[in-house]
Amino acid sequence: AQRVTQPEKLLSVFKGAPVELKCNYSYSGSPELFWYVQYSRQRLQLLLRHISRESIKGFTADLNKGETSFHLKKPFAQEEDSAMYYCAPGAGNMLTFGGGTRLMVKP
Amino acid sequence: AAGVIQSPRHLIKEKRETATLKCYPIPRHDTVYWYQQGPGQDPQFLISFYEKMQSDKGSIPDRFSAQQFSDYHSELNMSSLELGDSALYFCASSLVGVRWRNEQFFGPGTRLTVL
Repeated sequence: AQRVTQPEKLLSVFKGAPVELKCNYSYSGSPELFWYVQYSRQRLQLLLRHISRESIKGFTADLNKGETSFHLKKPFAQEEDSAMYYCAPGAGNMLTFGGGTRLMVKP
Repeated sequence: AAGVIQSPRHLIKEKRETATLKCYPIPRHDTVYWYQQGPGQDPQFLISFYEKMQSDKGSIPDRFSAQQFSDYHSELNMSSLELGDSALYFCASSLVGVRWRNEQFFGPGTRLTVL
């Protein structure tokens, strides 16, 4: 069965601190992996995808196939990073969302 | 740039009534997805359509049906509404055939409240 686990429901850090949002997945085949973000009162939007190996807003995510993890990292958190973050593996035409992690960056 | 449009944004219905939610994908997108997000829950995939044909089916109740029309907009029809159907319903669209076929663009959601 396809499963995504984001173990932390809430992550609270101070501005300038490093951030790591964890994501572990159990998926048959080779899914595409995404991180979606939802800022307050805004729609879900794509943050980054594993295949492009890009850095968006200072965030990066490395796919570790051995550990089946796709953790999201940022070396220095900013207050505007406060949002809900969803890890979402995709296969076929379907995304499976993890439970989400609410990131709160305090001044 | 044009985004995914959903209407209505808010809907209040009573138990056993019916509801129709509409989704207008980004122009030239050929795939539409519907998700349900209950209070305090993560989005759950309901159903998707590619080129007006159902492509994947998730945890969609039998009381719900959906279709994609010739102009690619989609409607989610919900009958015999129950209190537990109260949720935020997201629509997303994508363009299958490009490299990252699962990059989905989400609408703002329709908040359905069943009384």
